[in-house]
Amino acid sequence: QKEVEQNSGPLSVPEGAIASLNCTYSDRGSQSFFWYRQYSGKSPELIMSIYSNGDKEDGRFTAQLNKASQYVSLLIRDSQPSDSATYLCAVHQPSNSGYALNFGKGTSLLVTP
Amino acid sequence: DAGVTQSPTHLIKTRGQQVTLRCSPISGHKSVSWYQQVLGQGPQFIFQYYEKEERGRGNFPDRFSARQFPNYSSELNVNALLLGDSALYLCASSLEPGEQYFGPGTRLTVT
Repeated sequence: QKEVEQNSGPLSVPEGAIASLNCTYSDRGSQSFFWYRQYSGKSPELIMSIYSNGDKEDGRFTAQLNKASQYVSLLIRDSQPSDSATYLCAVHQPSNSGYALNFGKGTSLLVTP
Repeated sequence: DAGVTQSPTHLIKTRGQQVTLRCSPISGHKSVSWYQQVLGQGPQFIFQYYEKEERGRGNFPDRFSARQFPNYSSELNVNALLLGDSALYLCASSLEPGEQYFGPGTRLTVT
C-alpha cells in the first residue's frame, strides 16, 4: 500500500494567522490530489483539488503541489475558529483499483481566538 | 440540489450478524465509492462502482460485498460482523472518476 503521510498535530494557530498543512506521498505516479475538511463527528467535505504543479487558490484556501518532491500542502489564510477541524489529504494513485482515494490520517487544526 | 444520502444514520449490531447500508448519490453522478473510517484514521477504500460495474476493491475480506442499482444507488453488505467492523461507513459519489463527495455516513457499532 502506497503511503500518504500527514503530521497528526494538533496544529494550533491564532485567529487571523496563516495555517500551513502538509502532506507527502510515496507513489510518484500519483496524479490527483485532494484536501478534505472533517469536523468532529461529521463526514469529510471536499475543499480543494489540485492536479498540476504549482498553486491553486480558492478564497482563503491555497493548495500547493510539487510532484518532484512528492509534496502537497494547504494554506489557510486569515484562519478563523470555525476552521478548527481535521484536514485530510487524499491522493489518487493509478495503481489503485478504479479511482480509489488513498487518505492520510489527517492533521488536527485548532484556531484559537 | 440534494447531496449524497445514506441510511441508516446509526446502527447497532451483534457479532455474527449481517448488515446492509444504503447510499443514494448526487443526482447525475454515476460512480459510488464506499469507505470505512475508524476513529483517528483516514477513510479506507472498500469498493467503487461506476455504471453499475465494480471498478475497484480495497483490501477488505470477502465478508464485505456491494452492488449498484440501475438508478445508481448502492448497498454495502457486511456478513458475520466482528467487533473490529465498528466504524463510520462513508459513501462518496462522483460524476465520473475524479472529485468525490461524501455523504453523512452510517455509524456502525458491533457489540
